[in-house]
Amino acid sequence: RKEVEQDPGPFNVPEGATVAFNCTYSNSASQSFFWYRQDCRKEPKLLMSVYSSGNEDGRFTAQLNRASQYISLLIRDSKLSDSATYLCVVGYGGATNKLIFGTGTLLAVQP
Amino acid sequence: EADIYQTPRYLVIGTGKKITLECSQTMGHDKMYWYQQDPGMELHLIHYSYGVNSTEKGDLSSESTVSRIRTEHFPLTLESARPSHTSQYLCASSGWTGAYEQYFGPGTRLTVT
Repeated sequence: RKEVEQDPGPFNVPEGATVAFNCTYSNSASQSFFWYRQDCRKEPKLLMSVYSSGNEDGRFTAQLNRASQYISLLIRDSKLSDSATYLCVVGYGGATNKLIFGTGTLLAVQP
Repeated sequence: EADIYQTPRYLVIGTGKKITLECSQTMGHDKMYWYQQDPGMELHLIHYSYGVNSTEKGDLSSESTVSRIRTEHFPLTLESARPSHTSQYLCASSGWTGAYEQYFGPGTRLTVT
């Protein structure tokens, strides 16, 4: 079983739609949580950190449920430019700060 | 935007050649990482360093080696390239204690013929 599991998609949605991605992680010792965005053949870029209290950045809302070991990302009013792969990422902090990446969920926003 | 650089961006090389992939960051980050990613697949950590003169192997076994003589520089070397080394190599760095996010360079796409 992978440490970080995501639905690979693809999610095909029309412009303006609301789309939600889910992710589960297996190691309860995880300390940090992120969503990264990766465009085709490009490097991953940090989208947002995820906190237990939930956090929002414009059209993006992230939630963390430590008890269920579950992370979510909600995108409202989807734009064509949101089309990308969204990576759920879990970290262990400490001296090395290793991150574990999910396989990613592909989003295709259609005009 | 993070200031982390990788060269070359693309490299096509013959089997048996020695290659060095360069990675530099100007943020003074103490932690640096190398990942390998095949098309459509997840990132796999192959090497990391938490400071000068420290290097460790990652979760995915790799025939490559790394060095960390200066804080800003973390090159990766393949002594004898093989077609199985064809992949994208991504370098990342992470800052001071408590800042857990990693920032990535643009990657090197390596093809070994």
